[in-house]
Amino acid sequence: KNQVEQSPQSLIILEGKNCTLQCNYTVSPFSNLRWYKQDTGRGPVSLTIMTFSENTKSNGRYTATLDADTKQSSLHITASQLSDSASYICVVSEGGSYIPTFGRGTSLIVHP
Amino acid sequence: EPEVTQTPSHQVTQMGQEVILRCVPISNHLYFYWYRQILGQKVEFLVSFYNNEISEKSEIFDDQFSVERPDGSNFTLKIRSTKLEDSAMYFCASSEAGYWRQETQYFGPGTRLLVL
Repeated sequence: KNQVEQSPQSLIILEGKNCTLQCNYTVSPFSNLRWYKQDTGRGPVSLTIMTFSENTKSNGRYTATLDADTKQSSLHITASQLSDSASYICVVSEGGSYIPTFGRGTSLIVHP
Repeated sequence: EPEVTQTPSHQVTQMGQEVILRCVPISNHLYFYWYRQILGQKVEFLVSFYNNEISEKSEIFDDQFSVERPDGSNFTLKIRSTKLEDSAMYFCASSEAGYWRQETQYFGPGTRLLVL
């Protein structure tokens, strides 16, 4: 069964600090990996989309990495802001069926 | 900026009743999706829709669910006979191209469904 595991489950950091969120997956065959930001009670917002051949992709202060060999991804947030407080979700799509598997998310709280 | 809209924002229904959740995708998008998120749990894919037919569906999307694009703008999810376990936030999303082409999906704000 395809699985996407994220760590840590929750994280508290001070404003201005950096942090890294982890995603491990067992989805196979692999199509793409996405990171989303979800504010409480809102729909997810796309941050990055990565394919098998991409190792790194940035979107402003967000940088995602992908190691398709070890089936691991990370999302690095630089110079955190209060508005970064949200759940960050890793989603991996299966090649062929294209059905996405969602992780449970990492809940990030940024304190002033 | 164009956005996906969903109505209603909240719906309360009795078990066994039919509900229709409505979505207006972004106007030039061709692919449409429904997801659900039970409170405190992860988001789950339900179905994708393209060219007036279902392109992919998950195990959750059984015979009690159906989707339709009744006109050029709306995309609906119907639950024929609601069960308590259908209580969840339902998200609609749309994209210009399919999920496998790495196109960005844009999510709506969701409809919170409560089945009593």
